[in-house]
Parts: sequence; C-alpha cells; structure tokens
Amino acid sequence: QVQLQQSGPGLVKPSQTLSLTCSISGDSISNNNAAWNWIRQSPSRGLEWLGRTYYRSKWYNDYAVSVKSRITVNPDTSKNQFSLQLSSVTPEDTAVYYCTRGASYNLDYWGQGTLVTVSS
Amino acid sequence: QSVLTQPPSASGTPGQRVTISCSGSSSNIGRDTVNWYQQLPGTAPKLLIYRNNHRPSGVPDRFSGSKSGTSASLAISGLQSEDEADYYCAAWDGSLNGWVFGGGTKLTVL
Repeated sequence: QVQLQQSGPGLVKPSQTLSLTCSISGDSISNNNAAWNWIRQSPSRGLEWLGRTYYRSKWYNDYAVSVKSRITVNPDTSKNQFSLQLSSVTPEDTAVYYCTRGASYNLDYWGQGTLVTVSS
Repeated sequence: QSVLTQPPSASGTPGQRVTISCSGSSSNIGRDTVNWYQQLPGTAPKLLIYRNNHRPSGVPDRFSGSKSGTSASLAISGLQSEDEADYYCAAWDGSLNGWVFGGGTKLTVL
C-alpha cells in the first residue's frame, strides 16, 4: 500500500519561497513506471497541476507553464521523498497543496494535503 | 477557468441514477484516458474511475465511467447519501504536457 506523507510550513510570507516535502512509503521514487507530482487546489483556480519528477534511466521534470519560472521539483533518493519549491509567492499562491503518484495513466495515491497561506 | 468542463452541480434522490459530464478537446480526452475523483469535505481527492471505465479495488460497482470522442461521463446508480461529494474528471493533456482537471461537480443527495 503506497502512502504519501506531506510536511512543510503552512504560512509563507509574500516574495518568499514555499517549500514542501512528500515522503513515500510502499514504493520507490526511482520506480520506472511512476511519476511524482505536485497539485494544488484553491476556490479560485480549482485543481491545478504544478509539476512532476520521474526516473527513466535518468531524472526528468515537467512543469506547468503558469509556474514554470518559479517552480522546482526535486527527488531525494536517499530519503525516498521529493520536494516542491515555489519562489516569489504571492497571495494568489494560497491553496491546499497535494503530492500525488502518477502511474498507469492516472493519479492514484495522494498525500493528505497541506494548506499553505501566503500572508505577511 | 478549468481546461475540462463539468456542470457545477448535480442532484438526485436516494436510489436514483445520476450522470456527470466532462467535456474536453482532442489534446486531452480525445487522445488519452479519463479518470474520475471523489472528494469529501476536508479530504484529498480519491480515485474513483481510471482509464475511462475501470474501478479501483473497493469502489462499488454503482460507479461507472464512459468516454466518447472528446467527452466522458460518470454515472452513479442506486444513489446513496454518502455519495454526496465533489466529483472531478482529469486527463493528461498532450499539448500542455501536464494533467488537466474539470472544475468539479457538487453532487447533492436530496
């Protein structure tokens, strides 16, 4: 049974960097058939895919155009986890953030969600 | 504005059958499979239907999915009070190179 456990601060100041971590159990971040995603949800934007990292003999990343200049998703193979960094945040980045596993053309396992509020 | 289009609300009485539609384009639903998610208040979305019409283990067979061209549908038969939730469709978009979602449909059991 795959489980994703999220951690990170719930409050970030404007212009600073939002950082979240997703710890994986029951699977390997280096699984050649999986991709590890970050998604956020807010009343104004709904569910929004942000980006992913995945291993296919080497590491790859894909990012949403809307955040491409500000986002980094990194794998940490030593801890079997992956992270999200979103820089220069504004109140528009306030949302519930989820990490998810993508496998076999679906997003099958989700983390518990982290409400991140951008406010001074 | 979500890439996939869903009706904002749907309703039915216990025992009824309801359907929720999801409309996309040739770059997402038209070229790839559709997944459906159920989200209860305060929880993460839960995978309900994958690859258009497959149910993960544990999902009742009252839930079914279908796809035709650039549209998909979720059907819930024998509606129960615990089905009251938000439902989202999702698909991979080959042009955007990322996952896209519907805006969600709030299902009310009257």
